[in-house]
Order: sequence, then C-alpha cells, then structure tokens
Amino acid sequence: GAVVSQHPSRVICKSGTSVKIECRSLDFQATTMFWYRQFPKKSLMLMATSNEGSKATYEQGVEKDKFLINHASLTLSTLTVTSAHPEDSSFYICSATSGGVVKNIQYFGAGTRLSVL
Amino acid sequence: GENVEQHPSTLSVQEGDSAVIKCTYSDSASNYFPWYKQELGKRPQLIIDIRSNVGEKKDQRIAVTLNKTAKHFSLHITETQPEDSAVYFCAASKDSNSGYALNFGKGTSLLVTP
Repeated sequence: GAVVSQHPSRVICKSGTSVKIECRSLDFQATTMFWYRQFPKKSLMLMATSNEGSKATYEQGVEKDKFLINHASLTLSTLTVTSAHPEDSSFYICSATSGGVVKNIQYFGAGTRLSVL
Repeated sequence: GENVEQHPSTLSVQEGDSAVIKCTYSDSASNYFPWYKQELGKRPQLIIDIRSNVGEKKDQRIAVTLNKTAKHFSLHITETQPEDSAVYFCAASKDSNSGYALNFGKGTSLLVTP
C-alpha cells in the first residue's frame, strides 16, 4: 500500500515553456502533498506544502508565480514550472501523507528530472 | 525554523561492519524523526522512524536512537551489506496545521565495500 505515482519521470523542454508534473496517491487519500527539489548529490529542499482544496504554502525563497501548485483532489497534486529556464533544471519529487494515526509518514513519488535547454 | 544537521557526509565501511549516522535538530517541538534511504536516481524510501515518546527502535539490522534532551538521533546499521550502499537522509517533523513538513539533513553517502 501507500503508492505515490509521479509523472513524467523525465522531461526535456526549451527555455520559456511551461512544464506540468503530476503527483498521484494511488491507494490512499492524500490530505497533504509536498513538493521538493533536489540538486545532484544534495538534500531534498522543501518547496511547498499542498493541502487539498486550499492554496499551497510556499517556503521562503520559492516563487509561487513560478511554481504553480494545484491540489484539486485528495489523490492529485500538480506542479507547473512556468516559463522554465535552464536554472530550473533539477530533480523534482513529490510526497504525500494520508493523515490519521500515521499522519507524519511521507510516501515519495519516483521524481521528475527536468532539463531545460 | 527547524535546522537538521547530519554527519558524516560520507561513510565507507567494510561489509559486515556497523555504520552509524548522527543527526541533530534545533526545534524542541519536533516529534517525528524518519530515516530515508535513496539510491541513485530513485525515490527516497522510508527505512525506519521514531517518535518522541520512544528512545529506541529496532528493525532487524537497523536501529534508531533518540535523545530528546540533547536533540539528537542516530541511525545504526549492523552487519552491513553492499546493497546498503546509498544516500541516507534523516529528517525531523512536528505537528503543524500546514501538514507535517519534513526538514531533511544534508544526507550521508554510505559505501559498503565487499
């Protein structure tokens, strides 16, 4: 149980285009989803916290107009990188929590490697 | 905010030896401490976690200890095997209306040599 699916796994795009990444909880309802960014050989940096039906909470330094997050249902959150530039190239990972007794536990998606040319 | 420090950044051990990774946290309100294992290009996998009402937890070759007073927690891997080679991240979390965000340490790259 507790499977989180993330798509696409890899995307290559031209500078200036927008890229949408989907994060789905397959076998549980995710009250909260998180979006992380990871640089090579670095730790996971929290970008934003996404609660179903409400606006995402962004971490300091993360541009909310650049990284649009939508959590329209209990099983889907999307991250859209708008007008992507080479410096946005990174590994983006989502995670989800189910709430309840084990509400702290985060289950991670497989990540999306974004390369902006 | 919470600050999680992790040491060492790299660790190399011989197969069969033990490995210990240590983390400290700054926010005394943190009450949940998971450890994740991440292989290259893969998703982080939860390997063990501990809550603040417990001092130690063990699962086969893996154990975690927590010292709330000193605000540090450690991962212990015994009888290491080459397949234990990966990057390990500690994290700290606390109850929050915004949803239990994890603050990660910088990671430890563990190499187990045969």
